[in-house]
Amino acid sequence: GAVVSQHPSWVICKSGTSVKIECRSLDFQATTMFWYRQFPKQSLMLMATSNEGSKATYEQGVEKDKFLINHASLTLSTLTVTSAHPEDSSFYICSARDDGYEQYFGPGTRLTVT
Amino acid sequence: KQEVTQIPAALSVPEGENLVLNCSFTDSAIYNLQWFRQDPGKGLTSLLLIQSSQREQTSGRLNASLDKSSGRSTLYIAASQPGDSATYLCAVRGYQKVTFGTGTKLQVIP
Repeated sequence: GAVVSQHPSWVICKSGTSVKIECRSLDFQATTMFWYRQFPKQSLMLMATSNEGSKATYEQGVEKDKFLINHASLTLSTLTVTSAHPEDSSFYICSARDDGYEQYFGPGTRLTVT
Repeated sequence: KQEVTQIPAALSVPEGENLVLNCSFTDSAIYNLQWFRQDPGKGLTSLLLIQSSQREQTSGRLNASLDKSSGRSTLYIAASQPGDSATYLCAVRGYQKVTFGTGTKLQVIP
């Protein structure tokens, strides 16, 4: 079956620094990838839709200048959290959509900002 | 805007019981509905995917049903085991995006 990987699986960074999270579709091409975040004891909320070769579409309330998304190839999308603050600490999950329009989810990345 | 609600929010049952988790959604124009489990601090594990044209899907002790017209899905877990303890999420895929439910935290007591 289709596999989506994320790297790193967990990361700790200091407040004010930037951190990049990678999302890769390992055995299929994905023109569209999605980024979600999950706060403790809450469900997943869609942050943005990433389209290969074009700008990402952000959901209402998500700061595009803070959460930079780059979908440079058909198998890779990256999410960069810029000038991270403790309130950005969360669980970030990506998904990738194949040609059949099915979505496959990555294992998630836990970000802790100290 | 699609809204997905799961009831109950938390459930504690003794081992061996059969149980039902509920998921309701407001917009019936969906492609599919998917049930996931999430262990604490972990990612999502897909359990069952029901296409909009299907009524139910089964995998082992799990059975998921879909009534699109009424905006409801149920996940039935037979003969629950302590290893079933996790948070269960339903996710509804519409034409534009996937919307997740609020989750049901299940605890199966040995």
